[in-house]
Amino acid sequence: DTAVSQTPKYLVTQMGNDKSIKCEQNLGHDTMYWYKQDSKKFLKIMFSYNNKELIINETVPNRFSPKSPDKAHLNLHINSLELGDSAVYFCASSHRGRDGGKNIQYFGAGTRLSVL
Amino acid sequence: SQQGEEDPQALSIQEGENATMNCSYKTSINNLQWYRQNSGRGLVHLILIRSNEREKHSGRLRVTLDTSKKSSSLLITASRAADTASYFCATGTGNQFYFGTGTSLTVIP
Repeated sequence: DTAVSQTPKYLVTQMGNDKSIKCEQNLGHDTMYWYKQDSKKFLKIMFSYNNKELIINETVPNRFSPKSPDKAHLNLHINSLELGDSAVYFCASSHRGRDGGKNIQYFGAGTRLSVL
Repeated sequence: SQQGEEDPQALSIQEGENATMNCSYKTSINNLQWYRQNSGRGLVHLILIRSNEREKHSGRLRVTLDTSKKSSSLLITASRAADTASYFCATGTGNQFYFGTGTSLTVIP
C-alpha cells in the first residue's frame, strides 16, 4: 500500500490553463505539505496544513491554492499556469512536530508538471 | 533564506569507498534530518539527529552534528552502486522544514 500517493504522475498542459494535483496519505498523519522542486533539484516548501488548517504559506503566487477536505487529503490547484511553474511537485506528510522526534516526512513520488 | 546547503554538489566514487557529504544551515534547530532521493522518485527519510546529539549511526550511515558550527555530515561507508542518489539535509523547528540543495552521489560499480 502506498503511504503518500499523488496524482497524476505527469501533467503536460498549455500556458493559461488551470490544473489540480491530488494527494492522499494513509499514515494517519495530521500534517501535510506541498513542495516544489526545480530543475536544479532545489526543494522549496510551498504550503503546510495541520488538521486541515493552513500553518505555513511561503511566498507563493496566489494562483496556487491548496485545499484540504480532510486530514488525509491535500490537493493543489493552480490557476493560469505559467512557463515558470514547470517543476516537480511533491506532497508529503508527517506528525505535527513537537519534541523534534515525530516530524519525519513521508513523500509522494512527485508530479512532473510541464507547461508548454 | 533559511535552507541548508550541501557540499559537495556532486560526488563520484568507486564502489566500496566511503562517501562523505556535508550540510551547513543558518538557523537554530530542534533536529536535522537526512533524506535520499533516487532519480524520478520522492525523498526517503534516512536518519534524524537531535540538536543535543553529536553523532548517530544507522547501518552504514554515520551522521555528525556540530551546532556551534551549524553543520552536519553524512558518511556512507562501503558504498554500493545502489547508493547512487541525491542526498538532502533538512532542518527546521516544528513543522517549518527547509531542505538543502542536495549532493548528487554516483557510485561506480
